[in-house]
Amino acid sequence: DSGVTQTPKHLITATGQRVTLRCSPRSGDLSVYWYQQSLDQGLQFLIQYYNGEERAKGNILERFSAQQFPDLHSELNLSSLELGDSALYFCASSARGGQGRHNEQFFGPGTRLTVL
Amino acid sequence: GENVEQHPSTLSVQEGDSAVIKCTYSDSASNYFPWYKQELGKRPQLIIDIRSNVGEKKDQRIAVTLNKTAKHFSLHITETQPEDSAVYFCAAKDSGAGSYQLTFGKGTKLSVIP
Repeated sequence: DSGVTQTPKHLITATGQRVTLRCSPRSGDLSVYWYQQSLDQGLQFLIQYYNGEERAKGNILERFSAQQFPDLHSELNLSSLELGDSALYFCASSARGGQGRHNEQFFGPGTRLTVL
Repeated sequence: GENVEQHPSTLSVQEGDSAVIKCTYSDSASNYFPWYKQELGKRPQLIIDIRSNVGEKKDQRIAVTLNKTAKHFSLHITETQPEDSAVYFCAAKDSGAGSYQLTFGKGTKLSVIP
């Protein structure tokens, strides 16, 4: 157990719908990262938050958005869902996020999203 | 931004043999290179990492080597066991200011045949 929790574990929804994925980082970790893993694909970085602020943005669609709350948990919002959005969504956390330092990223168990 | 290429995409070895997975990266300023193991249906887990000021690091049966000049790094698993079967991902830390963004390779599916 990495200490990172994600809910829900599974999510099945229809095209055009909107869903929210939730992530709680390890105690004390300030950075949260979101990744998308499609079938037979690697881990695609979506977005990073550090202590409530957006720090880096990757291949995140405009239909997707995220935020990190004062208690450091994070939510990933996916809207106008398409079949191609079906994937495993991972959240990871690390202790810091500032320039010049690097820290191990601990991954949560993931949320499997199925869009029908 | 950073680009990470990983080879091979699949690898089958006999139990007890060695396995080698290779990655190349594009950004010469990248300075942190972790390797993650992902078992079927589970989360990626860090198994070893190396920083750019070190050429080699070893942890029991696992070792990683880094060649900064050639911009490539490799994972070596010796005396492979069936429980080593998994997908392995290499990654490089993006050098962008204030970011810890990791760019991952597409993964190598390792199968260890008993």
